[in-house]
Amino acid sequence: GAGVSQSPSNKVTEKGKDVELRCDPISGHTALYWYRQSLGQGLEFLIYFQGNSAPDKSGLPSDRFSAERTGGSVSTLTIQRTQQEDSAVYLCASSQPSVNEQFFGPGTRLTVL
Amino acid sequence: QKEVEQNSGPLSVPEGAIASLNCTYSDRGSQSFFWYRQYSGKSPELIMSIYSNGDKEDGRFTAQLNKASQYVSLLIRDSQPSDSATYLCAVTGGNQFYFGTGTSLTVIP
Repeated sequence: GAGVSQSPSNKVTEKGKDVELRCDPISGHTALYWYRQSLGQGLEFLIYFQGNSAPDKSGLPSDRFSAERTGGSVSTLTIQRTQQEDSAVYLCASSQPSVNEQFFGPGTRLTVL
Repeated sequence: QKEVEQNSGPLSVPEGAIASLNCTYSDRGSQSFFWYRQYSGKSPELIMSIYSNGDKEDGRFTAQLNKASQYVSLLIRDSQPSDSATYLCAVTGGNQFYFGTGTSLTVIP
């Protein structure tokens, strides 16, 4: 089946604007993760969804960041009032409930001017 | 102390040699261990998972886990230039999933 998809692949925005990033996980995968990767850096955990449970938001860097997952499938990561330090690749991954192997989407490269 | 530590490298090996990548972790309760490969400009790709002590082989790749010493390693036999990438170690216990910062590997033709 299809892998994890993310859109847009690239997003250029001006400082202070809001952006929405979308993730469509692999069908049947109940767990969904958002990460951020800055140039040359490791993966920074942002948020984790598992089924209908309350999400683990412990990695969100500020209250400008929020995410939701509708119907246990598609997820949207919203960044309000973007700052230049928000520039990074935002990666989404999904996994099956009983197996922790995560499969990543291609990412969204966000550039804040 | 970071949850997962890797030598950032770069690690260079000649084509055909064995590349050895190492990772240590701090949480003794960790249950699952993964190696991801990330090519420049691409997203991470799962290449190995290991859950119990010992070795697990898949083609040219062997993952080794030692829970008592809290380390996991990845051996790549007969290294090829196409193996040149950053290798990320990931460790999980429950809901928490921790990635190392990755080791950059270059295989020299």
